Amino acid sequence: SQTIHQWPATLVQPVGSPLSLECTVEGTSNPNLYWYRQAAGRGLQLLFYSVGIGQISSEVPQNLSASRPQDRQFILSSKKLLLSDSGFYLCAWSPGGDREAFFGQGTRLTVV
Amino acid sequence: GQQLNQSPQSMFIQEGEDVSMNCTSSSIFNTWLWYKQEPGEGPVLLIALYKAGELTSNGRLTAQFGITRKDSFLNISASIPSDVGIYFCAGSHNDMRFGAGTRLTVKP
Repeated sequence: SQTIHQWPATLVQPVGSPLSLECTVEGTSNPNLYWYRQAAGRGLQLLFYSVGIGQISSEVPQNLSASRPQDRQFILSSKKLLLSDSGFYLCAWSPGGDREAFFGQGTRLTVV
Repeated sequence: GQQLNQSPQSMFIQEGEDVSMNCTSSSIFNTWLWYKQEPGEGPVLLIALYKAGELTSNGRLTAQFGITRKDSFLNISASIPSDVGIYFCAGSHNDMRFGAGTRLTVKP
């Protein structure tokens, strides 16, 4: 069966520090991969999605970037965090073809 | 990108009551999905709909894919306290977009 791992679960980082959040999927190949951000009490904002290695689509201009160095690995990064980068970050995968997505447990990021 | 309008924003109901929520969009989707999220966790898939007009049930939950492909609803019958959470609709057309969520509170 397929599983998705996302870490760390929580992170407190100072303003101006770099960020690297990692997401890996097991038990499937060539998944679609997504990064979402959720502000407190709000909906899910699509940040990036990828349909294959090295293929990244960005939805909003921001302080973040994403990379997909391997088929089942998706990384969310920032060179210098802002206070407004705080939030709950969720990684998800889907088989593609407009099929359902499955989520990781999320990373609670607090920028101080 | 596509925008999903989900309503109501929140609901306060008595245990045993039925619940209905819906999502609309100005764009068409190939797939409509409904998720439930509990505090501090990722959303969990409840129901997936793949065809316009499709009506699907999962226990006390029933969802429909609108015939225009621009809307979907979710009904929960005979609510119980553990139904508490935030329910999200999502539409997929190459990528996946989410509604703003419906926060459900069930009073025993």
